[in-house]
Amino acid sequence: GAGVSQSPSNKVTEKGKDVELRCDPISGHTALYWYRQSLGQGLEFLIYFQGNSAPDKSGLPSDRFSAERTGGSVSTLTIQRTQQEDSAVYLCASSLRQGAEAFFGQGTRLTVV
Amino acid sequence: GIQVEQSPPDLILQEGANSTLRCNFSDSVNNLQWFHQNPWGQLINLFYIPSGTKQNGRLSATTVATERYSLLYISSSQTTDSGVYFCAVLPGGSNYKLTFGKGTLLTVNP
Repeated sequence: GAGVSQSPSNKVTEKGKDVELRCDPISGHTALYWYRQSLGQGLEFLIYFQGNSAPDKSGLPSDRFSAERTGGSVSTLTIQRTQQEDSAVYLCASSLRQGAEAFFGQGTRLTVV
Repeated sequence: GIQVEQSPPDLILQEGANSTLRCNFSDSVNNLQWFHQNPWGQLINLFYIPSGTKQNGRLSATTVATERYSLLYISSSQTTDSGVYFCAVLPGGSNYKLTFGKGTLLTVNP
């Protein structure tokens, strides 16, 4: 597609379950970001991938959060043993190279009940 | 880390009015972007403007990197301009975290 695609758009899960969120970046973009936006708040950096380099995981809030990027393209953010405070919109962005203009997907709204 | 402050936090306008939104940042930057978050939560790219001035229709932006601020101008505002406007910066050096301000909530009334 032409833009960053995220799936699912919405996810409701029970507390304690694991969830996987997917991001398809713009074709050819080497940099990929994950952010989290809690209700009425700004955007919180989670993780950054650049090409084949080791990712910057410094924003992940706990060891229940992990992410991978396979083949330098699709990325999956996994949250294990979800908690109610994990409820938020998870946004993915990609850019052609590090430092270039970033483009965001439509986000995944996660609700933990 | 770098601090990004946006002002005002909230702004209410009548349709047709002009406005200026400000973004201050605490350190040198390699990249600065302005986004509009629409009511559906989508972040729409407005400007990629690490320095200088750009215009796109009724919107324009100016970044003065040496003085560490950027301005977003909205002229002849329309109700569809409502939403949250975010400024985001990429700090200088090897830090690649795009850091966001808290945003300006703009409401344009008919």
